[in-house]
Amino acid sequence: GENVEQHPSTLSVQEGDSAVIKCTYSDSASNYFPWYKQELGKRPQLIIDIRSNVGEKKDQRIAVTLNKTAKHFSLHITETQPEDSAVYFCAARGNFNKFYFGSGTKLNVKP
Amino acid sequence: DGGITQSPKYLFRKEGQNVTLSCEQNLNHDAMYWYRQDPGQGLRLIYYSQIVNDFQKGDIAEGYSVSREKKESFPLTVTSAQKNPTAFYLCASSTSGTRDNVLTFGAGSRLTVL
Repeated sequence: GENVEQHPSTLSVQEGDSAVIKCTYSDSASNYFPWYKQELGKRPQLIIDIRSNVGEKKDQRIAVTLNKTAKHFSLHITETQPEDSAVYFCAARGNFNKFYFGSGTKLNVKP
Repeated sequence: DGGITQSPKYLFRKEGQNVTLSCEQNLNHDAMYWYRQDPGQGLRLIYYSQIVNDFQKGDIAEGYSVSREKKESFPLTVTSAQKNPTAFYLCASSTSGTRDNVLTFGAGSRLTVL
């Protein structure tokens, strides 16, 4: 099955700086890669996603890049704000519509 | 609550007891999933169902059981065979198409074994 690895596990940045979270996946058949933000005690919420036929996607301060050859994808957050502090998960959709998740990155944005 | 309702939000269980977590969706989604979340770990797939009356084991199915008798409902039973059941359980659903099947989560159920 698919294996998704995510780094770093914790990330601390100063407000206004950029944050980058990286994920790798193992199954070349995976074709859809969502990113979720989870605030403490709440459900994960989709923040951005990318499909395998696209190399980059941007939504305001958030962008995702995908390198299919290297099997890695990354989340970029620019001009970070304290409300960006949360746990972020990457995921890959494999065969049979199964979603596999990374272990999460706890982002702390210091004011 | 985003079309997926999980209940109860908090549940306490004594060792040796079975408990059932409810998950109901009104999104008309074909696929439904149960994930387990432990502190500092990602979401691990317990069971998933692509269609009514059919479901498959995920990566950590031992000690759990499910049913899918209705499209809207996918209850999870945590049996006494599950050795470490204390965790946060998340139900999710998606369409079954290959293009637009965004995964939507419920608010979660936190199970504590006393």
